[in-house]
Amino acid sequence: AQSVTQPDIHITVSEGASLELRCNYSYGATPYLFWYVQSPGQGLQLLLKYFSGDTLVQGIKGFEAEFKRSQSSFNLRKPSVHWSDAAEYFCAVGSLNAGNNRKLIWGLGTSLAVNP
Amino acid sequence: DGGITQSPKYLFRKEGQNVTLSCEQNLNHDAMYWYRQDPGQGLRLIYYSQIVNDFQKGDIAEGYSVSREKKESFPLTVTSAQKNPTAFYLCASSIRLWDEQYFGPGTRLTVT
Repeated sequence: AQSVTQPDIHITVSEGASLELRCNYSYGATPYLFWYVQSPGQGLQLLLKYFSGDTLVQGIKGFEAEFKRSQSSFNLRKPSVHWSDAAEYFCAVGSLNAGNNRKLIWGLGTSLAVNP
Repeated sequence: DGGITQSPKYLFRKEGQNVTLSCEQNLNHDAMYWYRQDPGQGLRLIYYSQIVNDFQKGDIAEGYSVSREKKESFPLTVTSAQKNPTAFYLCASSIRLWDEQYFGPGTRLTVT
């Protein structure tokens, strides 16, 4: 069955520290992947996306993610976290091969807290 | 400014009443979606629409209904048949079905 796993429900980091949020997927076809961020009580904002090509993708707000097909992962990274990065982060995976039967599969999210 | 608007931001209803949540987009996107978000459960797909006058059930469509009479609008009705309607509802759109989605600010519905 297709699935997306974000193993960490909640992460706390200190401001200025580096960050890595994990996303693992199980998908039978060629995937495309997204990371979204959600501030409390708000909608989701796209951070970055991977469809093809360079497996290291740059996004907004200083985030980057690396697609590793061999590990079925698409981890999100930031070298230095700011207090304003505190939010919920969602990974989503879709398929390039499944036609109109494809859907986006969403992870359950990782809540990020930032200590001053 | 292009974007997606959802209104109202907060909505309160008594049990047994139907309520309609508004979603409008001026991005000229063909596809639109409704999600429900509950704490710890991520996003769950209620309904989606690929084009005008067409929509499909998502994973949790029971107790909900939608219409897509205009490209810009995709209202969601939460009926009295929905057993646990209190939640945060998110509308999204994309150029094509299942492409990168743009989200509205959400509507928090409370039913008592």
